[in-house]
Amino acid sequence: NAGVTQTPKFRVLKTGQSMTLLCAQDMNHEYMYWYRQDPGMGLRLIHYSVGEGTTAKGEVPDGYNVSRLKKQNFLLGLESAAPSQTSVYFCASSSGGVDSYEQYFGPGTRLTVT
Amino acid sequence: SQKIEQNSEALNIQEGKTATLTCNYTNYSPAYLQWYRQDPGRGPVFLLLIRENEKEKRKERLKVTFDTTLKQSLFHITASQPADSATYLCALDGAGGFKTIFGAGTRLFVKA
Repeated sequence: NAGVTQTPKFRVLKTGQSMTLLCAQDMNHEYMYWYRQDPGMGLRLIHYSVGEGTTAKGEVPDGYNVSRLKKQNFLLGLESAAPSQTSVYFCASSSGGVDSYEQYFGPGTRLTVT
Repeated sequence: SQKIEQNSEALNIQEGKTATLTCNYTNYSPAYLQWYRQDPGRGPVFLLLIRENEKEKRKERLKVTFDTTLKQSLFHITASQPADSATYLCALDGAGGFKTIFGAGTRLFVKA
């Protein structure tokens, strides 16, 4: 199993450009998450999904949109990138079952907005 | 607001010693607490989970304690090795498990 994969690994955007980050998991997990990680700060939840076709806002959702059209994929979109969105983005998944809360993370996408 | 505090200063210890990392939290009553390991340039990896009604959990050389009165968790690595050098993240969850709050992590260096 590949676990959780993310594409791309690196990206540089100019202010105002748009892009989509793709997350895929092959563990048949119900829950999926997008986080951002900035120096000196913990992972902050952007959006999450508790099942195919559902999404919800996390702690820092502004400037991002998400979609979960297929159970195995969770897309994160930036419609108009801003320098404040320079960060490392991690996708994660968890089974969502009772007593099964551990999250499995992807390798991350390093995004720079100039 | 909910807050998690982990020592921002790196912890330097000698190989073979026990490393102890601290996680304190405020304005939160978590149902359970998790510890993750993160290596540079990689995503976090799950290590241990402890529930609010558990005092201690062990896994090989790892031990986690959870004191809901003190609002504190301690993470111990016994017989530490240079390969244990990494950043360790503390994470809290309420019931449901989909709004996890992560601490900023503590960097551990184990010297040979």
